[in-house]
Amino acid sequence: KNQVEQSPQSLIILEGKNCTLQCNYTVSPFSNLRWYKQDTGRGPVSLTIMTFSENTKSNGRYTATLDADTKQSSLHITASQLSDSASYICVVSGGGSYIPTFGRGTSLIVHP
Amino acid sequence: GAVVSQHPSRVICKSGTSVKIECRSLDFQATTMFWYRQFPKQSLMLMATSNEGSKATYEQGVEKDKFLINHASLTLSTLTVTSAHPEDSSFYICSALPPLPQKRESGNEQFFGPGTRLTVL
Repeated sequence: KNQVEQSPQSLIILEGKNCTLQCNYTVSPFSNLRWYKQDTGRGPVSLTIMTFSENTKSNGRYTATLDADTKQSSLHITASQLSDSASYICVVSGGGSYIPTFGRGTSLIVHP
Repeated sequence: GAVVSQHPSRVICKSGTSVKIECRSLDFQATTMFWYRQFPKQSLMLMATSNEGSKATYEQGVEKDKFLINHASLTLSTLTVTSAHPEDSSFYICSALPPLPQKRESGNEQFFGPGTRLTVL
């Protein structure tokens, strides 16, 4: 069964600090992995996409890593800002379906 | 990136009434659109896959007679919540899948709408 597990479920950090969110998946065969940011009351917006051959990719203060062997990905946020407060969703495509598998998301709260 | 809009962004209705939510792809034609529901602090739950010109495919547990989906054109899909009840109150999000190969340069990326907050009194 295709599954995506994210941890932690929620995270509270102080502004300016770094944090790392985790995503483990069982989707096979693997096509790609995306990290989305979803602000409260808004639709998700894509941050990064990782394909099988990519180990790391950055988008500003966001850096995603992928270990296709262990089926793990992480999203590292550097120098957090209040606007980073959101839900971060890991979505994995593959598994023989064009419909991707969504993780439950990590709720990040950045306090001043 | 591609733009997907939803209308209305927020709706409040009385129990027993029907509510229609529109999802439009503004700068590309989408043969496939998806409808999701999201409860507070939960992830997106796929309700149905909408294909232009054909019947929608519903996920297990989703009542097709209650959640009517129409994908009459390549840029518009509608979700109608019929005889809405308070338990239908939720955040409804659509997404659109661009056709190959023009806008799928990043793989099968879905572009999400901003969502519609439905409150049934």
